[in-house]
Amino acid sequence: DAKTTQPTSMDCAEGRAANLPCNHSTISGNEYVYWYRQIHSQGPQYIIHGLKNNETNEMASLIITEDRKSSTLILPHATLRDTAVYYCIVMDSNYQLIWGAGTKLIIKP
Amino acid sequence: GAVVSQHPSRVICKSGTSVKIECRSLDFQATTMFWYRQFPKQSLMLMATSNEGSKATYEQGVEKDKFLINHASLTLSTLTVTSAHPEDSSFYICSASRVSGYTFGSGTRLTVV
Repeated sequence: DAKTTQPTSMDCAEGRAANLPCNHSTISGNEYVYWYRQIHSQGPQYIIHGLKNNETNEMASLIITEDRKSSTLILPHATLRDTAVYYCIVMDSNYQLIWGAGTKLIIKP
Repeated sequence: GAVVSQHPSRVICKSGTSVKIECRSLDFQATTMFWYRQFPKQSLMLMATSNEGSKATYEQGVEKDKFLINHASLTLSTLTVTSAHPEDSSFYICSASRVSGYTFGSGTRLTVV
């Protein structure tokens, strides 16, 4: 079973920041949080990952709470091309990615 | 960056025939590759873990004789769907693991008619 829970869907206006929450209350101390997204009929695309510190790259920022039980992916200036399903994943003990249902993010003009 | 090439992107085959899907790591060596299946509007489901030079490890409920996996080199893993049936129609995705994370292929849309 997936170790994360995410809202089923979210809307965001183009140009605004998209904040996607994820709960991972059973995460272990050495487990990373990964974020991927999947645009329709394409393979998943890596976005960002982190352990306990906040992370930022050219695509997004990842904010992890101090207790590590939840995190938020931030797309600072959403565009129409950011419409996709966003997956928050905690790797299991076998180093496998266990995929949940993800959040369908729709960016509206 | 790390690139995984998956081929073909789309394939239509007749019921009862076999289809081979290739997954190549283009600029790195992948000792471990993963094969996923995704049905419409559902998440990715891990089918099997492919290890170079050894037998693949299949997830519960996945028939190893139907979904043949070969990982004969550090840059190539293949998935062969044998005696395909319409219910095997799905989106198949491969992934390769690296120290820095996982890279995914672009997927193969299989339609069995």
